[in-house]
Amino acid sequence: KNEVEQSPQNLTAQEGEFITINCSYSVGISALHWLQQHPGGGIVSLFMLSSGKKKHGRLIATINIQEKHSSLHITASHPRDSAVYICAVPEESYNTDKLIFGTGTRLQVFP
Amino acid sequence: DAGITQSPRHKVTETGTPVTLRCHQTENHRYMYWYRQDPGHGLRLIHYSYGVKDTDKGEVSDGYSVSRSKTEDFLLTLESATSSQTSVYFCAISERGEQYFGPGTRLTVT
Repeated sequence: KNEVEQSPQNLTAQEGEFITINCSYSVGISALHWLQQHPGGGIVSLFMLSSGKKKHGRLIATINIQEKHSSLHITASHPRDSAVYICAVPEESYNTDKLIFGTGTRLQVFP
Repeated sequence: DAGITQSPRHKVTETGTPVTLRCHQTENHRYMYWYRQDPGHGLRLIHYSYGVKDTDKGEVSDGYSVSRSKTEDFLLTLESATSSQTSVYFCAISERGEQYFGPGTRLTVT
């Protein structure tokens, strides 16, 4: 079964800084997910990616399949980016129906 | 917005009482999930469903049962609530591999 680790657990930044959050997993996968959990508790899917890079606004997600590693970058960070960012991968490589989740990276961006 | 609602949103109950949480979706998704979220843990799968009356256990299924008698509703029952089941419960659906989450239910067992 897959295992997933995120780093760092906590991250503070000044507004405008470039942010990187990392995710590593142990078993080959078909796709990796990045999620955002707002301070109010709601969880939103940001990206699902299986190779290369995806970009949405100031958020960029990359994945290296060979190294079993993904990064989430936030450019020109803003206080509204403060949230918990969660990485998720399939529990087993051949079954994408069940995901396992990292413990999250808590990001605080100060003005 | 995948049209997912959860009820109740907050509940306080006593140890030993049965509790049922409801997840409702409006878009006919086949896969539905129940997770719990606790400090220091990632979201953990309790049960999931891949169709009406088709369910399977997840990582932390002990003490929980589920039912799905119609596509739109997935019910999670705590048969006899314990303090260790105090948690935030999220329902989710899967659409083309991506998961979309309901707003969550905060359950406190006293």
